[in-house]
Amino acid sequence: DAMVIQNPRYQVTQFGKPVTLSCSQTLNHNVMYWYQQKSSQAPKLLFHYYDKDFNNEADTPDNFQSRRPNTSFCFLDIRSPGLGDAAMYLCATSTLAGPYNEQFFGPGTRLTVL
Amino acid sequence: AQTVTQSQPEMSVQEAETVTLSCTYDTSENNYYLFWYKQPPSRQMILVIRQEAYKQQNATENRFSVNFQKAAKSFSLKISDSQLGDTAMYFCAFMKQALYNNNDMRFGAGTRLTVKP
Repeated sequence: DAMVIQNPRYQVTQFGKPVTLSCSQTLNHNVMYWYQQKSSQAPKLLFHYYDKDFNNEADTPDNFQSRRPNTSFCFLDIRSPGLGDAAMYLCATSTLAGPYNEQFFGPGTRLTVL
Repeated sequence: AQTVTQSQPEMSVQEAETVTLSCTYDTSENNYYLFWYKQPPSRQMILVIRQEAYKQQNATENRFSVNFQKAAKSFSLKISDSQLGDTAMYFCAFMKQALYNNNDMRFGAGTRLTVKP
């Protein structure tokens, strides 16, 4: 089944220790998104890629970076995690090829910062 | 900027009954999409139903239907014959129509729905 996969599902890191979260997709969608979702809150868009074009939200901290080496994979790098970065990180994809612009979400990676 | 408001942080319903979740939004756009996403506990977010703003007919997907009132900027979700598996966080989302870059999806704060046996 075509899907959005996130690894790992749970990630524990130490304060200030860089961490990378991974997302892959088999949908061949050209747009990939990273969201941060804190407990009982709405997902907050961090940035997205349209193909290789990177689009950063204005209020996304510099501590968050992203890479998309190819269509299938996208990475979220947190250079120096703080306690406030503990959250669920959601990856999503979409395509402009069809009539609908819905986003397909992965299961998320829950990040704990000690 | 578009904003999405869900005024009911929590709701509950008895199994087999009907419940309506409210959503309002603010936009100056004429062409856009509206969505309801469901996020069960510890599970991924999935699309429940979508509505194109240019369509007057309300979308329906099995037990799920919407009441789309464009002039009032209202987009409520009705769940009929509620099932225990409907227990989840429900997010209303707005996306403006974009030809090049459809990044502009905004979520409401969510409504936590509990279906009671």
